[in-house]
Amino acid sequence: QQQVKQSPQSLIVQKGGISIINCAYENTAFDYFPWYQQFPGKGPALLIAIRPDVSEKKEGRFTISFNKSAKQFSLHIMDSQPGDSATYFCAASERHVSNTGKLIFGQGTTLQVKP
Amino acid sequence: NAGVTQTPKFRVLKTGQSMTLLCAQDMNHEYMYWYRQDPGMGLRLIHYSVGEGTTAKGEVPDGYNVSRLKKQNFLLGLESAAPSQTSVYFCASSSGGRKYNEQFFGPGTRLTVL
Repeated sequence: QQQVKQSPQSLIVQKGGISIINCAYENTAFDYFPWYQQFPGKGPALLIAIRPDVSEKKEGRFTISFNKSAKQFSLHIMDSQPGDSATYFCAASERHVSNTGKLIFGQGTTLQVKP
Repeated sequence: NAGVTQTPKFRVLKTGQSMTLLCAQDMNHEYMYWYRQDPGMGLRLIHYSVGEGTTAKGEVPDGYNVSRLKKQNFLLGLESAAPSQTSVYFCASSSGGRKYNEQFFGPGTRLTVL
């Protein structure tokens, strides 16, 4: 059962454009939504994260938009650069059940930014 | 600090062989995790540990065993490898606790089972 659905699977954007990756979740108990970035041959690394008490979080060119009623959240990369080419994973976590820190990951999106 | 390290980086096994993947972290983290990454499937949790001497099953635990005898190490074992276990395996650690904590990932182990 896939609790976090991510789209699109792949994305090609021109340099300077906006990259948008979407995720939808089912479990209304999720209360932490991080995005991880993974370069080829490397492990994922935390990029940005949001909690459901805010609708948007911005860090530099990266913004998370969160829609609690729709159970959706998205990553926007403004002024996309070739160095942003990587695989991006959304994830979700439910803190209160067992405090295990377990993350449920989406399927991943491979982003290619063309120069 | 080396962060999270994994050995080996690559391995080829024949069906039925066994092996152990080692994960080590030098950040004094309480929580450790093992994931597998397959195309189109994202990262799926195999087993995890919330402290030395403790382990628990994740989403896809069948065919794997783990041990956490020392706080800094988390071992993933395959007793009888199958082609379906061909994957890239990632270990991660976090400080745990009552607040949300970043998971730090190792560089991965690429395993092929023939």
